[in-house]
Amino acid sequence: QTVVTQEPSLTVSPGGTVTLTCASSTGAVTSGYYPNWFQQKPGQTPRALIYSTNNKHSWTPARFSGSLLGGKAALTLSGVQPEDEADYYCLLYFGGASVVFGGGTKLTVL
Amino acid sequence: QVTLRESGPALVKATQTLRLTCTFSGFSLSTSGMCVSWIRQPPGKALEWLAYIDWDEDKYYSTSLETRLTISRDTSKNQVVLTMTNMDPVDTATYYCARRRVDGRRGVIMVDFWGQGTPVTVSS
Repeated sequence: QTVVTQEPSLTVSPGGTVTLTCASSTGAVTSGYYPNWFQQKPGQTPRALIYSTNNKHSWTPARFSGSLLGGKAALTLSGVQPEDEADYYCLLYFGGASVVFGGGTKLTVL
Repeated sequence: QVTLRESGPALVKATQTLRLTCTFSGFSLSTSGMCVSWIRQPPGKALEWLAYIDWDEDKYYSTSLETRLTISRDTSKNQVVLTMTNMDPVDTATYYCARRRVDGRRGVIMVDFWGQGTPVTVSS
């Protein structure tokens, strides 16, 4: 069973920069895994932020960016705002029926 | 404007079959590249992808749950139905449907719009 691993928790100061990562148990994550990133605030539905590694949706704030970093998918928040405190999930496609979410990262802005 | 809405029972008993409906608008599941996915989230836990059905009516299931899941569509009603057999208390979760879109020209895959989710509790 493929496992997708994210940092369980991260803390960042307002105005700071933080990078969340998404690793695969199968090896290096590439663009062929079409990484997607989602934000979920308590009691809310997940909201899509990034698709296919580094593409933003029309509603995605400019301070969010996606990339590949050291064999992992990465989500970078630059100039973090208090409202960015949330859980963040990555999603990887391994082909056909194999679609796996990461375990999520709880981001605290403190 | 793309919207999705899940509906189904809030409470089922163990061993029963769960039937959930996703009613969507703003897109057609007959359009190339369009898919509807089902995803669930147990209380306080991570998201888990369950299944999706695409514009060609191809169906894909989580390998760990595929023996219990069936996904189908009614294009005329803009609905996708997910059934899960032999429910267990560990299946207690909020169940979401979401649109998945493949843009072959750009070579991208995205999950963009989500429903609000429907909570399901399985009693023993």
